[in-house]
Amino acid sequence: DIQMTQSPSSLSASVGDRVTINCRASQTVTNYLNWYQQHPGKAPKLLIYAASTLHSGVPSRFSGSGSGTDFTLTITNLQPEDFATYYCQQSYRAPRSFGQGTKLEIK
Amino acid sequence: EVQLVESGGGMVRPGGSLRLSCAASGFTFDDYGMAWVRQVPGRGLEWVAGIHWNGGSTGDADSVKGRFTISRDNVKNLLYLQMNGLRVEDTALYYCARVDYYDFLGGGRFYYMVVWGKGTTVAVS
Repeated sequence: DIQMTQSPSSLSASVGDRVTINCRASQTVTNYLNWYQQHPGKAPKLLIYAASTLHSGVPSRFSGSGSGTDFTLTITNLQPEDFATYYCQQSYRAPRSFGQGTKLEIK
Repeated sequence: EVQLVESGGGMVRPGGSLRLSCAASGFTFDDYGMAWVRQVPGRGLEWVAGIHWNGGSTGDADSVKGRFTISRDNVKNLLYLQMNGLRVEDTALYYCARVDYYDFLGGGRFYYMVVWGKGTTVAVS
């Protein structure tokens, strides 16, 4: 199975900041990589698929990049509603594993 | 309204069984693959199992292989997860999710999950 590893596990930032979250796959997933956002007590919400394609309705301050084994989620101009936990997921090969999550907290 | 509603969770002893159900509405159920994803409280998401529109498996997590079986009834618009040989570490909130996809020109079908239920809780102790 493909293992997904995110870094950092948590980070603190302020409203208006720019942050990056990293995701590494244990083998290539080409660009079959999704990013989700989850607020406490809520189901996950899709942000990005195919590594860099923004899902409909997702603000343009979110962006994704990378291919192969290394990927990045970037959030610019952080807004209060962006403080949440973020997960990457590979859809290259079954089972479609998730990273362990990155918790973004308010500084 | 597109909706997924899970049921069937509860408390069970180690070694016991449960069957989770997920009722789909507001969309053509057999147009989509489906999946179960679980989350231990305060922990991350874990892919459990997936199923194609026609019932073919899209792969189970190693942690549940041989114990859990995903299935679907396209007439009743229901997704199931039969869980046998339950362990304490299976305790989690179990989400049902619809698997959408996008076909890029030039190749590549990209799967992702947009529609999620609220989850049903399984406690093994």
